[in-house]
Amino acid sequence: DAGVIQSPRHEVTEMGQEVTLRCKPISGHNSLFWYRQTMMRGLELLIYFNNNVPIDDSGMPEDRFSAKMPNASFSTLKIQPSEPRDSAVYFCASSHRRWNYGYTFGSGTRLTVV
Amino acid sequence: AQTVTQSQPEMSVQEAETVTLSCTYDTSESDYYLFWYKQPPSRQMILVIRQEAYKQQNATENRFSVNFQKAAKSFSLKISDSQLGDAAMYFCAYTGNQFYFGTGTSLTVIP
Repeated sequence: DAGVIQSPRHEVTEMGQEVTLRCKPISGHNSLFWYRQTMMRGLELLIYFNNNVPIDDSGMPEDRFSAKMPNASFSTLKIQPSEPRDSAVYFCASSHRRWNYGYTFGSGTRLTVV
Repeated sequence: AQTVTQSQPEMSVQEAETVTLSCTYDTSESDYYLFWYKQPPSRQMILVIRQEAYKQQNATENRFSVNFQKAAKSFSLKISDSQLGDAAMYFCAYTGNQFYFGTGTSLTVIP
């Protein structure tokens, strides 16, 4: 298994542009998580899905952020319009439904909004 | 509310020595899991060790072990025979009905 695959690894965009981050979870994992990591706030859970259904999106900072999981092998996190304060590393992680084996993280996308 | 606290922002250890990283958590749940993750400069988050709350026995993975004190809500990580490759940020994480990470401890290994 190639693990959790995120793309792109780095993204630089101008303020106001739409940004789409992509994630392919590990096959067989039922849960998928999007995290944001910054120096100021650490690791924040943005949203998680169970069996492709969003369960808790209370961590999504504002309406500019949206996430979808159209099938078990793909998820996107979209920011529209992007702002400089969105600059962070965004991680996708997947796990079995009971979470007892922990998450497997992707390598993250470093987003810079200028 | 569930929270995870790592009170040591930075720690250092001599190569081959032992170091303990602290983590405390607050929860009202009885069924949960605790984890330690390592984040080296490559930024990849790597699972180091996990502990199920209903198990009294402390988890061990090679040079890594935990001291799980459920009543005290404490979950410390001990790294024995520290190696240069252990240098990283270490995050304590709680998983129950919600998910929390601590703020991390930066570990330096001194040759």
